[in-house]
Amino acid sequence: NAGVTQTPKFRVLKTGQSMTLLCAQDMNHEYMYWYRQDPGMGLRLIHYSVGEGTTAKGEVPDGYNVSRLKKQNFLLGLESAAPSQTSVYFCASSLQGGSGANVLTFGAGSRLTVL
Amino acid sequence: GENVEQHPSTLSVQEGDSAVIKCTYSDSASNYFPWYKQELGKRPQLIIDIRSNVGEKKDQRIAVTLNKTAKHFSLHITETQPEDSAVYFCGAYFGGGSYIPTFGRGTSLIVHP
Repeated sequence: NAGVTQTPKFRVLKTGQSMTLLCAQDMNHEYMYWYRQDPGMGLRLIHYSVGEGTTAKGEVPDGYNVSRLKKQNFLLGLESAAPSQTSVYFCASSLQGGSGANVLTFGAGSRLTVL
Repeated sequence: GENVEQHPSTLSVQEGDSAVIKCTYSDSASNYFPWYKQELGKRPQLIIDIRSNVGEKKDQRIAVTLNKTAKHFSLHITETQPEDSAVYFCGAYFGGGSYIPTFGRGTSLIVHP
């Protein structure tokens, strides 16, 4: 049982390049999330999904796209990377949302640097 | 939009002292409040949570209190130890159907030996 796995762990991009971060969970969780963590800013929600085939915008969605074609995977894409997207990205999942089974399990994080 | 305010941003204590971190939230309909701990270079992990039908919850040296009327909740750590040094995030769940968590900006707790 690996929990939540993020790939890659580190990546350096040049401005304008594109890339995809992959998040995979093996806990049969319905909800998945992408957060970015910047110093002094906490965890800010980029996009989330409440089930296979669904996605929704979070607090800071601009410049990112996501897809959830399979229940276990949640992909975060950067179409044209900008230095402002330099950050540590965390994927998380939960069994459900709301006040029921909503404990978040986080991945180990992906550190992205955009030059 | 809905938000969670967390204070202080940095907290420095001596080993053995108590530490208190406070959060306020804007949505009176929120009914679940988790606390996550993130050690340096690691992922956030849940350490304690509280639901709105409870005013206080304890787990060994940590406790959380909730005041729904004032819309604030606090994390209390007693007899702090160096391994308590970490960033702590409070969270609240807002309504709107999907009930997605929003986090405060975090508190960096430093426990000096």
